[in-house]
Amino acid sequence: QKEVEQNSGPLSVPEGAIASLNCTYSDRGSQSFFWYRQYSGKSPELIMSIYSNGDKEDGRFTAQLNKASQYVSLLIRDSQPSDSATYLCAVQNTDKLIFGTGTRLQVFP
Amino acid sequence: EADIYQTPRYLVIGTGKKITLECSQTMGHDKMYWYQQDPGMELHLIHYSYGVNSTEKGDLSSESTVSRIRTEHFPLTLESARPSHTSQYLCASGDRGVLAFFGQGTRLTVV
Repeated sequence: QKEVEQNSGPLSVPEGAIASLNCTYSDRGSQSFFWYRQYSGKSPELIMSIYSNGDKEDGRFTAQLNKASQYVSLLIRDSQPSDSATYLCAVQNTDKLIFGTGTRLQVFP
Repeated sequence: EADIYQTPRYLVIGTGKKITLECSQTMGHDKMYWYQQDPGMELHLIHYSYGVNSTEKGDLSSESTVSRIRTEHFPLTLESARPSHTSQYLCASGDRGVLAFFGQGTRLTVV
């Protein structure tokens, strides 16, 4: 079992819709959770971090964490074609930061 | 914008050569990481450090080595490059709470 699992996609949503990206992790001791966006040929860039159960909102992005279910999600409201990228879930346990395989999101006009 | 730099950006080198990929950050971060990523594939952690004189191997078996003599510098060395080492190498740094900022990467091709 991989430490961090994501559906590779692609997830296709129309412009203006809500995109929902999911991630599960195996280590219950994990402490911090991150979402990164990676455009093709570019380095990942941090878009959200979350540390406690519940929702955290930042602009059009909402991260959700459920430690009991070992589940993290990212919602993107009012999706734009510029949101088309691969979204990486990352989980931190002590000093290691482990990434999932990423979900490719396609937002079509 | 994060201040983390990798050099070179691109490198084409012959089999058997020794190479060092440089990574520097000016944010005073304790934690630094090296990831390997093939095009369209996932990131694999190959080395990390949580401070000066501490280094650990990641989850992906790698023939590379790293050192952390100064907080800001975390070079990665391949003693004898092989075509199987062809990949993109990404360096990242972070501190408690906010992880991680990535450099622009080094795209390595071994011929």
